[in-house]
Amino acid sequence: KNQVEQSPQSLIILEGKNCTLQCNYTVSPFSNLRWYKQDTGRGPVSLTIMTFSENTKSNGRYTATLDADTKQSSLHITASQLSDSASYICVVSLLRVTGRRALTFGSGTRLQVQP
Amino acid sequence: NAGVTQTPKFQVLKTGQSMTLQCAQDMNHEYMSWYRQDPGMGLRLIHYSVGAGITDQGEVPNGYNVSRSTTEDFPLRLLSAAPSQTSVYFCASSSMGGDNQPQHFGDGTRLSIL
Repeated sequence: KNQVEQSPQSLIILEGKNCTLQCNYTVSPFSNLRWYKQDTGRGPVSLTIMTFSENTKSNGRYTATLDADTKQSSLHITASQLSDSASYICVVSLLRVTGRRALTFGSGTRLQVQP
Repeated sequence: NAGVTQTPKFQVLKTGQSMTLQCAQDMNHEYMSWYRQDPGMGLRLIHYSVGAGITDQGEVPNGYNVSRSTTEDFPLRLLSAAPSQTSVYFCASSSMGGDNQPQHFGDGTRLSIL
């Protein structure tokens, strides 16, 4: 069964500190891995998309890494800000033949940044 | 720049009632989809569409209908609401150009079934 597991479930850090969120997946065949940020009461917003051949991708203070051999990804947040408080969702895409995008969503890591 | 717009934002229904959740996008995206988000679970695909006139089922389609008469609109209909359908519903759209297109989500409809 295709699964995406995220850890930790929740995390509290102080403003200005760095943190790393983890994502392990069993999805196969793999097409790409995505990280989304979801603010409370809002829809998810795309942060990064990585294909099989990419092992790192950055978006400002967000850096995602991918190890396709061990089926692990991480999202590193540098110099956290209060606005980083949100849920971070890891999404893995199956290699699509036709039609439907087969996306498997993790349940997310809830990050709280405190002043 | 509206993106994906969902209405209503909140709704309370009684068991057995029907309703339609609206979704509209202004990015000319071919691919649209509906998800539900429940506590402690990842988003699950209800129905999707790859273009006007074409729809198909996702992983949790029971109790829901969709139609796609235009590129812009993709409404989700609850036929006879049940308490198990209490959830947050998200509509998303993306271009069909390759697997690496990001999905653009609306801000959701929070639905409670009493």
